[in-house]
Amino acid sequence: GQNIDQPTEMTATEGAIVQINCTYQTSGFNGLFWYQQHAGEAPTFLSYNVLDGLEEKGRFSSFLSRSKGYSYLLLKELQMKDSASYLCAVKDSNYQLIWGAGTKLIIKP
Amino acid sequence: DTAVSQTPKYLVTQMGNDKSIKCEQNLGHDTMYWYKQDSKKFLKIMFSYNNKELIINETVPNRFSPKSPDKAHLNLHINSLELGDSAVYFCASSPQGVDGADTQYFGPGTRLTVL
Repeated sequence: GQNIDQPTEMTATEGAIVQINCTYQTSGFNGLFWYQQHAGEAPTFLSYNVLDGLEEKGRFSSFLSRSKGYSYLLLKELQMKDSASYLCAVKDSNYQLIWGAGTKLIIKP
Repeated sequence: DTAVSQTPKYLVTQMGNDKSIKCEQNLGHDTMYWYKQDSKKFLKIMFSYNNKELIINETVPNRFSPKSPDKAHLNLHINSLELGDSAVYFCASSPQGVDGADTQYFGPGTRLTVL
């Protein structure tokens, strides 16, 4: 079957750096997405990776290794507003988006 | 200015009833989606429409039927509601077809509670 694994919950301190990992087993690969979802709100797009390597966008970076079926989202200079769930999603060979359950990130002062 | 809108935001109803959730996008996107997010927070795709054609139809019960009167609208009709249908339903749209690398834009969600 197809599977996306992420830690259920992580805690970090304001101003620090946190890395959220995602591993996937899917039938084919056509890109990996990271979305942010605040409690009670809709998911919003953060990043997209289709080739191996690091994509940087401000305080957020996303890394992909296709051979390892692995990605991570790196958040720097954490702010309280970064408290949210972070969803990893992979497009499989049928271009169907398979979603992980998300990682709830708690930021403490 | 709302890009993807859904109504209603909250829906509380009895088992066995029929209900509809409306979705509209003003982004000019070609593809629209319906997702179900259950209590465990898994987002599961239910349907997607591209230019009024159903292109993904996941194994959802046939009590759920998407209706798209035009490219900007994708409504979700649910017959004979069951307790297990309680969840948050998100509508989304994307500018290209499902094979694009494009992002999806989500509506605010409709929290459905079946009593």
